[in-house]
Amino acid sequence: AQSVTQLDSHVSVSEGTPVLLRCNYSSSYSPSLFWYVQHPNKGLQLLLKYTSAATLVKGINGFEAEFKKSETSFHLTKPSAHMSDAAEYFCVVSQGMAGNNRKLIWGLGTSLAVNP
Amino acid sequence: KAGVTQTPRYLIKTRGQQVTLSCSPISGHRSVSWYQQTPGQGLQFLFEYFSETQRNKGNFPGRFSGRQFSNSRSEMNVSTLELGDSALYLCASSLRSSSGGGETQYFGPGTRLLVL
Repeated sequence: AQSVTQLDSHVSVSEGTPVLLRCNYSSSYSPSLFWYVQHPNKGLQLLLKYTSAATLVKGINGFEAEFKKSETSFHLTKPSAHMSDAAEYFCVVSQGMAGNNRKLIWGLGTSLAVNP
Repeated sequence: KAGVTQTPRYLIKTRGQQVTLSCSPISGHRSVSWYQQTPGQGLQFLFEYFSETQRNKGNFPGRFSGRQFSNSRSEMNVSTLELGDSALYLCASSLRSSSGGGETQYFGPGTRLLVL
């Protein structure tokens, strides 16, 4: 069965330092992978997605993620954290065969705190 | 372009009642997906509607149902409410069916339902 595991439920960094949010997935088929961000009292917003093109995916707000098939990972990184990055981050993997009836499986989220 | 809107934003019901939530997708989007978000379970997929047809369904009981109208607006209904139905219900729209796996979804702010 397909699944996604976010390895840290909480991450705390200082402003200006790098961010690493870890995500491992399992999928029997070529997956599509996403990172979404949810700020308090706001809707979910897509940060970036991987759909079998370049393995290094650049997203909005300086975030990027690298698809590593051998490690079944899709970690999210940012070189320098900003206070506005404090939010909940979700890793998402598509489940099922290519074509119809794929479902998105969501990780439980990583809460990112950015300290001044 | 207006984003995804959901009404109402907050709702309080008692056990045994039923509730109807509404979602208006981004103009031109034909797919609407519904999710339940709780602290313990994360985001769980309820169902997807595309061109007024249910395309995909998660593992929820039959008390949870939905429909989509010709203007792509969607409603979700929960009958015989239980305490465990308290959650944030999120609606997401996309241009094409998200069942293909790679489609970007745009989320509304959610409806927070409290069942007493």
